[in-house]
Amino acid sequence: NAGVTQTPKFQVLKTGQSMTLQCAQDMNHNSMYWYRQDPGMGLRLIYYSASEGTTDKGEVPNGYNVSRLNKREFSLRLESAAPSQTSVYFCASSEKPTDRYPGPQHFGDGTRLSIL
Amino acid sequence: AQSVTQLGSHVSVSEGALVLLRCNYSSSVPPYLFWYVQYPNQGLQLLLKYTTGATLVKGINGFEAEFKKSETSFHLTKPSAHMSDAAEYFCAVTYPNDMRFGAGTRLTVKP
Repeated sequence: NAGVTQTPKFQVLKTGQSMTLQCAQDMNHNSMYWYRQDPGMGLRLIYYSASEGTTDKGEVPNGYNVSRLNKREFSLRLESAAPSQTSVYFCASSEKPTDRYPGPQHFGDGTRLSIL
Repeated sequence: AQSVTQLGSHVSVSEGALVLLRCNYSSSVPPYLFWYVQYPNQGLQLLLKYTTGATLVKGINGFEAEFKKSETSFHLTKPSAHMSDAAEYFCAVTYPNDMRFGAGTRLTVKP
């Protein structure tokens, strides 16, 4: 019963390098999300995909791009990593929102990313 | 700006004591609300949710929360703390096409 799987679990990058974080879910959910978690700030939404074929910006999209590859997979790309992007990144999925409201979400275990 | 406020970044209780974690939100539209728990090096797990209907919501592990629209609050309680409850707790509120999380409250349970 995998749920939401994120890879890699840990990564260290140098400033300016690029990287793609991978996320896959096996619950047949329509919606997927990327968050970053920083101390004292809770989780902040980077991008989300309400359904296959659509993506939208969240609260903190600058410096990131996403791809909804298919219903299962939603990747997050850092084109030119910056130290301010050092964070823990979480992917989540949920049923399709009702009346535009996101439903309860299932989270992966996170990717811990350090940028030097 | 729409936001979620969790009062107290750290709460410490004795084993067997009442747990009260506070959450207030600002919204002009009746929201859906959630509480999540996070254990070290793990993702968030759903504790309970309020969507519509009864304002007192029961969740897993003996937790419950009450939605009070007039107070824009959704506080989380548990009558008797257990050592295994030590974790970080997040309140979350949904807005159209968005979900906002509080900054989190770390719960410590003393033996």
